[in-house]
Amino acid sequence: GESVGLHLPTLSVQEGDNSIINCAYSNSASDYFIWYKQESGKGPQFIIDIRSNMDKRQGQRVTVLLNKTVKHLSLQIAATQPGDSAVYFCAENMVPSGGSNYKLTFGKGTLLTVNP
Amino acid sequence: EAQVTQNPRYLITVTGKKLTVTCSQNMNHEYMSWYRQDPGLGLRQIYYSMNVEVTDKGDVPEGYKVSRKEKRNFPLILESPSPNQTSLYFCASSAGATTNEKLFFGSGTQLSVL
Repeated sequence: GESVGLHLPTLSVQEGDNSIINCAYSNSASDYFIWYKQESGKGPQFIIDIRSNMDKRQGQRVTVLLNKTVKHLSLQIAATQPGDSAVYFCAENMVPSGGSNYKLTFGKGTLLTVNP
Repeated sequence: EAQVTQNPRYLITVTGKKLTVTCSQNMNHEYMSWYRQDPGLGLRQIYYSMNVEVTDKGDVPEGYKVSRKEKRNFPLILESPSPNQTSLYFCASSAGATTNEKLFFGSGTQLSVL
């Protein structure tokens, strides 16, 4: 089956720097992508999503870029803060024909560490 | 506050002793799902439910049961737990069952089966 993967399992940045977390996906039919943040001891928390008809979407301090040509997704965090330290997951979804199971396929995650 | 609530937060049990992990959401979501999270394997779907009385298997359903008698509740049942079911479990819900909608996750249940 197709899967979502991450280029970098760990990323360490200085406070105030910008962070970029990358994700490769292999299912060209995927039409919806989400980034989640998971802090230690907590459940995944929604950060931002993007649909396949877009190539960029901005939130508060975060930007998601989607490159469908190379099947690549990235999360950019501006002015990274210690509170941003967490594991970040990308997830993809393709609603299969017939409307059965809406299921997100998750990547393994990238651990972001922000050094003060 | 909109949320997905799981209980218990931590659970230690012994092999073969039936247990239930409860999940409740207060957002009137149609779709609910259970995932387990294991080191190196990420999040894997166990079961899902498209609506009341509609449930189906995910990727790793063996050893688990679910029910969806009410829209808000989606309990996960382990009839005879085994050590390989030691894991971190997450319940999640979404407004859309057949459209792309973000999943909201509970805080997790850490299960240890001895």
